[in-house]
Amino acid sequence: NAGVTQTPKFQVLKTGQSMTLQCAQDMNHNSMYWYRQDPGMGLRLIYYSASEGTTDKGEVPNGYNVSRLNKREFSLRLESAAPSQTSVYFCASNFQGPLHFGNGTRLTVT
Amino acid sequence: SQQGEEDPQALSIQEGENATMNCSYKTSINNLQWYRQNSGRGLVHLILIRSNEREKHSGRLRVTLDTSKKSSSLLITASRAADTASYFCATDAGASYQKVTFGTGTKLQVIP
Repeated sequence: NAGVTQTPKFQVLKTGQSMTLQCAQDMNHNSMYWYRQDPGMGLRLIYYSASEGTTDKGEVPNGYNVSRLNKREFSLRLESAAPSQTSVYFCASNFQGPLHFGNGTRLTVT
Repeated sequence: SQQGEEDPQALSIQEGENATMNCSYKTSINNLQWYRQNSGRGLVHLILIRSNEREKHSGRLRVTLDTSKKSSSLLITASRAADTASYFCATDAGASYQKVTFGTGTKLQVIP
């Protein structure tokens, strides 16, 4: 049972480049989430998907887009990366209870 | 601004002492959860308390919830050096309580 799988684990981008962070869960959870965590800070919600086919903005959605491809997969896209998006990104999923987290993606934008 | 605010921001205690951290939130909730994060690692779920519960225990953890004051507290009794970590509360909100947001966190240091 893999739980929540995020790829890649590390990524370095130049300003203006684009990339997609992938997330998949195998727990049949309805809800999936993308968070970012800056050094010494808490997690801030970027986007979430309460169920397959729906997505909603979180606290800090600007500069990001998401796709809930199916019940298992929820991707996060940076269309034009900026240094302010340097952060650790966590994907999570749940069904009306505790969140299950992936191991995170450490993204650096130079 | 974030839904949850925790205080204190940082707490340093001796091993064996109790640690208390507080979380305040802004809107009505369905559940409140507490998580621990060791430096540079992922988050570990500690305990979930529902809005109709007032107190919950799990091992050395005791969580209280006061929905009238929109606040919760996490008590860790008989702390150990291994409890050194950051602790976050998380609340759900939105039309179907699916929007889960985190507080700013309390950084706990337990000195051996």
